[in-house]
Amino acid sequence: DTGVSQDPRHKITKRGQNVTFRCDPISEHNRLYWYRQTLGQGPEFLTYFQNEAQLEKSRLLSDRFSAERPKGSFSTLEIQRTEQGDSAMYLCASSLVQNTQYFGPGTRLTVL
Amino acid sequence: AQSVTQLGSHVSVSEGALVLLRCNYSSSVPPYLFWYVQYPNQGLQLLLKYTSAATLVKGINGFEAEFKKSETSFHLTKPSAHMSDAAEYFCAVSDRGGADGLTFGKGTHLIIQP
Repeated sequence: DTGVSQDPRHKITKRGQNVTFRCDPISEHNRLYWYRQTLGQGPEFLTYFQNEAQLEKSRLLSDRFSAERPKGSFSTLEIQRTEQGDSAMYLCASSLVQNTQYFGPGTRLTVL
Repeated sequence: AQSVTQLGSHVSVSEGALVLLRCNYSSSVPPYLFWYVQYPNQGLQLLLKYTSAATLVKGINGFEAEFKKSETSFHLTKPSAHMSDAAEYFCAVSDRGGADGLTFGKGTHLIIQP
């Protein structure tokens, strides 16, 4: 059990560029979650998957955001046409159904 | 809709003193409640969780929390603070057993004075 991993840890991009983040959950965890955390705030739920199915999306997930989990293992979160307001820490978590969510170290995005 | 309120964005205690971090929740169904800790530039680590069993929950690093339905509270305590406890603490609620997205409070920054 190596824990949840996220890549990259830091990303700096210019406004208008697209970015993609990757999350590798704990093996055999069938649920995977994405959260966004801005400075001085708690994490805010974005979306989650059970296996490869995306079961819920927050209204925070605008149409510029898309998440996938094609084979029910790792997941990617893409942000298109980034805006300065997208600057945040993006956290991934995984769990077995109805169990504790284990968080990764996060990807810190800075949009210039 | 569920929500979490953490009273006090910053709490300062002396090393060896009692730690008390406050959390109040609202939920339309019996909630599952969690406390997570976050160290600088790291993800969140679970301290403890309440899942409708015992109302007093013991967690890691000497922390515990008591679920009080009448007060809709789930305050976090530790009898004696250690310098290594300095971190950001988040209370979270789920109304589906933790199987859905968690709703977090804004966090409390715990400062330990030597």
